[in-house]
Amino acid sequence: DTGVSQDPRHKITKRGQNVTFRCDPISEHNRLYWYRQTLGQGPEFLTYFQNEAQLEKSRLLSDRFSAERPKGSFSTLEIQRTEQGDSAMYLCASSSAGMGQETQYFGPGTRLLVL
Amino acid sequence: AQTVTQSQPEMSVQEAETVTLSCTYDTSESDYYLFWYKQPPSRQMILVIRQEAYKQQNATENRFSVNFQKAAKSFSLKISDSQLGDAAMYFCAYSNLLNRDDKIIFGKGTRLHILP
Repeated sequence: DTGVSQDPRHKITKRGQNVTFRCDPISEHNRLYWYRQTLGQGPEFLTYFQNEAQLEKSRLLSDRFSAERPKGSFSTLEIQRTEQGDSAMYLCASSSAGMGQETQYFGPGTRLLVL
Repeated sequence: AQTVTQSQPEMSVQEAETVTLSCTYDTSESDYYLFWYKQPPSRQMILVIRQEAYKQQNATENRFSVNFQKAAKSFSLKISDSQLGDAAMYFCAYSNLLNRDDKIIFGKGTRLHILP
């Protein structure tokens, strides 16, 4: 098992463009989380999936953001009409739901820069 | 709402010495988890140690140990025999046991420098 992977690792885009990020979780994990980390801050929760169902979305996730996990495996996070304020590191994590708090394993992140 | 506060933006420690990173949190819940995560430069975040609030015994993982003071809502991380590989951003984090989503709330982090 190679752990959580994210693609691309870096993305530079112009304001107003759409971008899509991909996350591949650890294969047996049924939960997948998206976090956003801005410079000098800790990660902030955006949304999470259990299998293919999106169960919670943060108020940080404006209507320009959409996330999917179509077959309960990989997930995509799309940002439409990007703004400079969207520049951040987007982190994905996965875990297996169980009796207690299961450890979340993080991917390397996708660093987005909006010009 | 739950919050996590790390009051030390940066710290430095001499190699082989001991350093303690501070963290306080605020919650009205009685059952929760606390974590310390490590984020090395340009590398992914990894879990260092976790503490269940209902356990009085402080968690320990090799050179890493915590001082959990539930009444004071304090959760500090002690790193013994500091090594160059310990240089990283350290995040204190909280998760509410009753929320089955296991969502994690992070502090702003403490950047730890190891001096050779």
